Amino acid sequence: DSGVTQTPKHLITATGQRVTLRCSPRSGDLSVYWYQQSLDQGLQFLIQYYNGEERAKGNILERFSAQQFPDLHSELNLSSLELGDSALYFCASSVAASGRSYEQYFGPGTRLTVT
Amino acid sequence: DAKTTQPPSMDCAEGRAANLPCNHSTISGNEYVYWYRQIHSQGPQYIIHGLKNNETNEMASLIITEDRKSSTLILPHATLRDTAVYYCIVRATGGGNKLTFGTGTQLKVEL
Repeated sequence: DSGVTQTPKHLITATGQRVTLRCSPRSGDLSVYWYQQSLDQGLQFLIQYYNGEERAKGNILERFSAQQFPDLHSELNLSSLELGDSALYFCASSVAASGRSYEQYFGPGTRLTVT
Repeated sequence: DAKTTQPPSMDCAEGRAANLPCNHSTISGNEYVYWYRQIHSQGPQYIIHGLKNNETNEMASLIITEDRKSSTLILPHATLRDTAVYYCIVRATGGGNKLTFGTGTQLKVEL
């Protein structure tokens, strides 16, 4: 158990809909990352937040957005869903935003299926 | 971040050491070598990391060559539960903490 929690575990929804994925980081971790894992693209970094502020952006679509709240939990919002958005979405957390060697701890993921 | 090259798959007998190689010939001085693994669609799990010295923890050992262009992750006594995809990642210390995953090595531990 990494200490990172994600809800829900599974989500099935229809094209065009909007969903929200939630992540609670490990106690004491200020930085949260979102990754997407699909069959054809592998594990890809989407976005990072540190203490409530966006810190880095990867290949995140404009239809996707995220935020980190004062209690440090984070939400990833996916809208106008397409079949290709079906994937595993992982959240990870680390102590700091950048620097020497801060490892990331991953949650169990949310499996999103768009039908 | 430097690119890494790993064999797509490896087999190992249970109880034997599993040695997983990784090439990172374009690594630069401020880049660390990280190893993560992913067991069947679970969240990736941190294993170990190093800069230039060999490292050991309760899970594994990391051997980095003197020129830092390659490394080997060693699982000293592999078990069936070590069957997973192992990712070697090279990451700079500055500019954020994102991890760039490649395709990794599928390690299969068999009886």
